Amino acid sequence: GESVGLHLPTLSVQEGDNSIINCAYSNSASDYFIWYKQESGKGPQFIIDIRSNMDKRQGQRVTVLLNKTVKHLSLQIAATQPGDSAVYFCAENSGGSNYKLTFGKGTLLTVNP
Amino acid sequence: DVKVTQSSRYLVKRTGEKVFLECVQDMDHENMFWYRQDPGLGLRLIYFSYDVKMKEKGDIPEGYSVSREKKERFSLILESASTNQTSMYLCASSQHDEETQYFGPGTRLLVL
Repeated sequence: GESVGLHLPTLSVQEGDNSIINCAYSNSASDYFIWYKQESGKGPQFIIDIRSNMDKRQGQRVTVLLNKTVKHLSLQIAATQPGDSAVYFCAENSGGSNYKLTFGKGTLLTVNP
Repeated sequence: DVKVTQSSRYLVKRTGEKVFLECVQDMDHENMFWYRQDPGLGLRLIYFSYDVKMKEKGDIPEGYSVSREKKERFSLILESASTNQTSMYLCASSQHDEETQYFGPGTRLLVL
């Protein structure tokens, strides 16, 4: 079946560097994508979302890029800080009417001081 | 801000016990969801609800039931807990016409 996946299970960066977390999706009918951050022992926290009619969306220190040609989604974090250390995962809505999301398994981001 | 709360952060139960996990949201959301999260498997949908007294099975409903008597509250019930139900349980809610789901802090359940 179609699912959301991630290229890298772990990512380690230096404080101050930019981070890029990737996500591949296979369902061409998906029209909405969302990134979540989950710190250890906590519930997922909404970061940013994007619809399929957009290629890029920016938030505070974060940018989501959507490449529909290759079905690829990425989350860029600028000037990564120790507080950014967490698991990040993407999710997609495959266009159904009940607004269920399909989640990727996540990437662990570790920020080294 | 959306606030989703779960009744317990940690629970320890014995095999065969009936377990209730409660979730409350304060944003008048129509949709509510129960997931379990296990290492290497990600979030898997157990049940969801579109409205009061409405419920639909998710991907892994076996061994679980739910109750939605009030709009703000969605309960997950383990009729007879088993060790393979040891997991992190996450509740989420969303508005009826929006996909963005907001999560509670999670309940880590250990079944002995």
